[in-house]
Amino acid sequence: AQKVTQAQTEISVVEKEDVTLDCVYETRDTTYYLFWYKQPPSGELVFLIRRNSFDEQNEISGRYSWNFQKSTSSFNFTITASQVVDSAVYFCALSEFGNEKLTFGTGTRLTIIP
Amino acid sequence: GAVVSQHPSWVICKSGTSVKIECRSLDFQATTMFWYRQFPKQSLMLMATSNEGSKATYEQGVEKDKFLINHASLTLSTLTVTSAHPEDSSFYICSARGGQGAVFYGYTFGSGTRLTVV
Repeated sequence: AQKVTQAQTEISVVEKEDVTLDCVYETRDTTYYLFWYKQPPSGELVFLIRRNSFDEQNEISGRYSWNFQKSTSSFNFTITASQVVDSAVYFCALSEFGNEKLTFGTGTRLTIIP
Repeated sequence: GAVVSQHPSWVICKSGTSVKIECRSLDFQATTMFWYRQFPKQSLMLMATSNEGSKATYEQGVEKDKFLINHASLTLSTLTVTSAHPEDSSFYICSARGGQGAVFYGYTFGSGTRLTVV
């Protein structure tokens, strides 16, 4: 069974601070995919990244970076120099190869204080 | 890129009436559609998975007679909440997987529908 845990329910940081959102997953498959989505107050889900289980390279996209560590089953997301527009709920998600279902974590509500 | 259009964005209906939510893939063929439900400050919970031309597969605990899902074409899936009650008030989001030509699109989400039953 697949499971995603986001232990941080809410985080508040002051603008320009760095913040890391944690994601821990469980799966029995050796082939799987991990995702991060952003959900602003308007509700739509904004795709941020997809990573497959064979690619452990960390990724950086502007102020966003992701740290994938299979040894600890974690896929953490860091925002550098946070901005007010980063305020949203962030979801980590997992899908197993051959299983189309996408399992979401419970989300982390991030508030950036101006 | 892949776009999924979901309508309406919000709807208010009276208790006992039915509401239909549409989800369209605009530039690709959606072989699989997913319907999620999200209560305030909670995560997305998968309600059902539908493949074009076949019956939807519902998750445990989801009433198939209450939440009717139709996926009659490769670009359109509908979710009908029948005899809606206030406890059905929620945010409903669709997601589509499919492709166009040689390009495969993963999970593309609609913008969601906020349903309020009064």
